[in-house]
Amino acid sequence: KNEVEQSPQNLTAQEGEFITINCSYSVGISALHWLQQHPGGGIVSLFMLSSGKKKHGRLIATINIQEKHSSLHITASHPRDSAVYICAVPPSSGSARQLTFGSGTQLTVLP
Amino acid sequence: KAGVTQTPRYLIKTRGQQVTLSCSPISGHRSVSWYQQTPGQGLQFLFEYFSETQRNKGNFPGRFSGRQFSNSRSEMNVSTLELGDSALYLCASSWGAGGPEEQYFGPGTRLTVT
Repeated sequence: KNEVEQSPQNLTAQEGEFITINCSYSVGISALHWLQQHPGGGIVSLFMLSSGKKKHGRLIATINIQEKHSSLHITASHPRDSAVYICAVPPSSGSARQLTFGSGTQLTVLP
Repeated sequence: KAGVTQTPRYLIKTRGQQVTLSCSPISGHRSVSWYQQTPGQGLQFLFEYFSETQRNKGNFPGRFSGRQFSNSRSEMNVSTLELGDSALYLCASSWGAGGPEEQYFGPGTRLTVT
């Protein structure tokens, strides 16, 4: 089973700051997911990436397959970015939907 | 197009009872996965259904079961409820292709067992 470690667990930032959330996993994977969960529980898929870098607005996700590490960056953070960010990986074999999740990073952005 | 819907959104049950939760995927999606989220264990995979067949199951007791209908709608059932089953139950749908693909999550059903 893949072990997924996220850091930090909690992060408080001032509006406008650059944010980095890290995710490490133990077994080689085909892709990694970054998810966002707002209070109330709804989860939104932010990125799925298997190599390199992806960018969507102020969000950037990178992955280093050799290092088994991924980062999620938020540029010019805003209070509406306050949420829990979760990385998730599929198993090395079997269904890609059988995700293992990190414990999440609670991000609070203060105005 | 309409997103993933889950019903009911909130549910309170008593220990020993059983419960059925429903998930309607995005139109055209054939894979439905179920996840349990608790403060202690975080998010955990329950099972995945594709074309009315259970494709994978996570490490949960047999009290947790599910099924999928021909229109891809899925239900999960928990029998003989325990206090520890109190959780947010999320379903997610996707096309069901063999490899990794983006999943679309529903709003979840919050189950409280008293």
